[in-house]
Amino acid sequence: KNEVEQSPQNLTAQEGEFITINCSYSVGISALHWLQQHPGGGIVSLFMLSSGKKKHGRLIATINIQEKHSSLHITASHPRDSAVYICAVRAQGGSEKLVFGKGTKLTVNP
Amino acid sequence: SQTIHQWPATLVQPVGSPLSLECTVEGTSNPNLYWYRQAAGRGLQLLFYSVGIGQISSEVPQNLSASRPQDRQFILSSKKLLLSDSGFYLCAWSADAYNEQFFGPGTRLTVL
Repeated sequence: KNEVEQSPQNLTAQEGEFITINCSYSVGISALHWLQQHPGGGIVSLFMLSSGKKKHGRLIATINIQEKHSSLHITASHPRDSAVYICAVRAQGGSEKLVFGKGTKLTVNP
Repeated sequence: SQTIHQWPATLVQPVGSPLSLECTVEGTSNPNLYWYRQAAGRGLQLLFYSVGIGQISSEVPQNLSASRPQDRQFILSSKKLLLSDSGFYLCAWSADAYNEQFFGPGTRLTVL
């Protein structure tokens, strides 16, 4: 079993829909990251959070430390949001290592 | 502002040939540097990280090696490539272990 599980693996939505991508992890963490990988392969860091909620534009990330769960929400989705969204966690104890989920492929159709 | 460069962008190499991928960072000093590999259909896997010149930690035993000859230069090497080395290689930097990581554009390696 992977330490970081994402769901769904694939997600197709219509433009304007509200999107939720989930991430569950099995270890104690010091931080959780949400990353966006575009079709060309480039990766952009969206959020790093250790508690609560963060918002940037139409993107919202939440984390529940007790339940070991995080969600990434996209409001008013747009075709340009189509990408693979990756969750990664850093284990407690000052580890340098990020453990990655396999990603959720989002396709937003016009 | 900080930027991270990787080259080459794509590479096709025969089995058994050597490899050298380079990553450089601009606009910051003493960054933590990371090499990741993303194999087809799999998640990102940390290969090496470095917290300073000449300091390399390996996460996964394999036929790859890394070196950091200068503060903002990180090199991934192999003496003899295997078919299983094919994948997308990403370099990343962060200010320290507790900050977000910033990724380079990646190198797509195909070993034939």
